[in-house]
Amino acid sequence: DGGITQSPKYLFRKEGQNVTLSCEQNLNHDAMYWYRQDPGQGLRLIYYSQIVNDFQKGDIAEGYSVSREKKESFPLTVTSAQKNPTAFYLCASSIGTTNTGELFFGEGSRLTVL
Amino acid sequence: AQSVAQPEDQVNVAEGNPLTVKCTYSVSGNPYLFWYVQYPNRGLQFLLKYITGDNLVKGSYGFEAEFNKSQTSFHLKKPSALVSDSALYFCAVSRMDSSYKLIFGSGTRLLVRP
Repeated sequence: DGGITQSPKYLFRKEGQNVTLSCEQNLNHDAMYWYRQDPGQGLRLIYYSQIVNDFQKGDIAEGYSVSREKKESFPLTVTSAQKNPTAFYLCASSIGTTNTGELFFGEGSRLTVL
Repeated sequence: AQSVAQPEDQVNVAEGNPLTVKCTYSVSGNPYLFWYVQYPNRGLQFLLKYITGDNLVKGSYGFEAEFNKSQTSFHLKKPSALVSDSALYFCAVSRMDSSYKLIFGSGTRLLVRP
């Protein structure tokens, strides 16, 4: 079955450590996204990529980095510069880059900083 | 600035009764509107969207939504609620700039009691 796979599902990190969240899709979608979800705040866009080797900052990119070396993969690194990294992270993809198509989401990765 | 508001943090309804989850939006130009559902510790699932045409949009799992341009609303409805409909519901509006990005509301928790 086609879909989006995020790993790990749960991750614990000590303060000052970088951590990388994996996102892989086999839907052959061009565009991929990373969102952060906090209770009562909905989803906020961190980064998005419309094509391989290109990506743009979203609304809350500070303290995060991404790469898009392959169409299927869009990993997110949460760096030590991110001041409040504990959150639920969601990866998504969409067909093409229009603004009328729906997003397909992975199951999410919950990051807890100890 | 474009925005979407979900005025209710939680909606409670008895099984078998009709349900409504409210959403209002503010956007320049024609809005593209979406509803997503999220079950605990899972990713979001697409329910339905309004792009153009008939103001009443039908979606997955028996849900529908009514686009009301004069009231700038896009309320989610279902004629008969099920306990399994209990989840977190997000309304979203698409931005009218050159890239495809969604603005999400803060979410409404729907609790259907037996």
